[in-house]
Amino acid sequence: EPEVTQTPSHQVTQMGQEVILRCVPISNHLYFYWYRQILGQKVEFLVSFYNNEISEKSEIFDDQFSVERPDGSNFTLKIRSTKLEDSAMYFCASSEAGGVGIYEQYFGPGTRLTVT
Amino acid sequence: KNEVEQSPQNLTAQEGEFITINCSYSVGISALHWLQQHPGGGIVSLFMLSSGKKKHGRLIATINIQEKHSSLHITASHPRDSAVYICAGSQGGSEKLVFGKGTKLTVNP
Repeated sequence: EPEVTQTPSHQVTQMGQEVILRCVPISNHLYFYWYRQILGQKVEFLVSFYNNEISEKSEIFDDQFSVERPDGSNFTLKIRSTKLEDSAMYFCASSEAGGVGIYEQYFGPGTRLTVT
Repeated sequence: KNEVEQSPQNLTAQEGEFITINCSYSVGISALHWLQQHPGGGIVSLFMLSSGKKKHGRLIATINIQEKHSSLHITASHPRDSAVYICAGSQGGSEKLVFGKGTKLTVNP
């Protein structure tokens, strides 16, 4: 069964460093998402991406964050200068479609980011 | 503002019990997603529904659009059902999911 994969499973970085979290969405899916979950809190939407551009983003997704689909399979989240409060589990998700209509989102296993 | 509220926050049951987790949502949300999060952190989609009822194995999800309320039921619960169950709302025209805080379910043998 097709699944969303994410690498690495755990990333430790120092404050101020840049990190790139990688995701491979399900191959025929067109919409891609990043969510994060700070320990003990609920999952929060960061950004959605379609047709090589951001289609929606939250207030959390400021200039420190960027997303890219560098090739036909990978979808990345970059945090330019990490802060302690960026420590969280980051989930990638994908769906067949989006926008008008409701579609099931399939989640990856997550990347736990620890900023020290 | 779209919001999703779940209850209870924690639930402990004995193996075999029938379990119900509730979710209320605000105006603007047009579909509910039920998800399961295991201790390792991974999230699995269980159901997506905008009306009526869906069943998969021992899991049943219902939604009442007028009351803006959804329930997830587990019949004949088993220790392997122990996980955090999350409801999340989506709004037509927006791709994002709005998550509830989750219900931590523990099923004891």
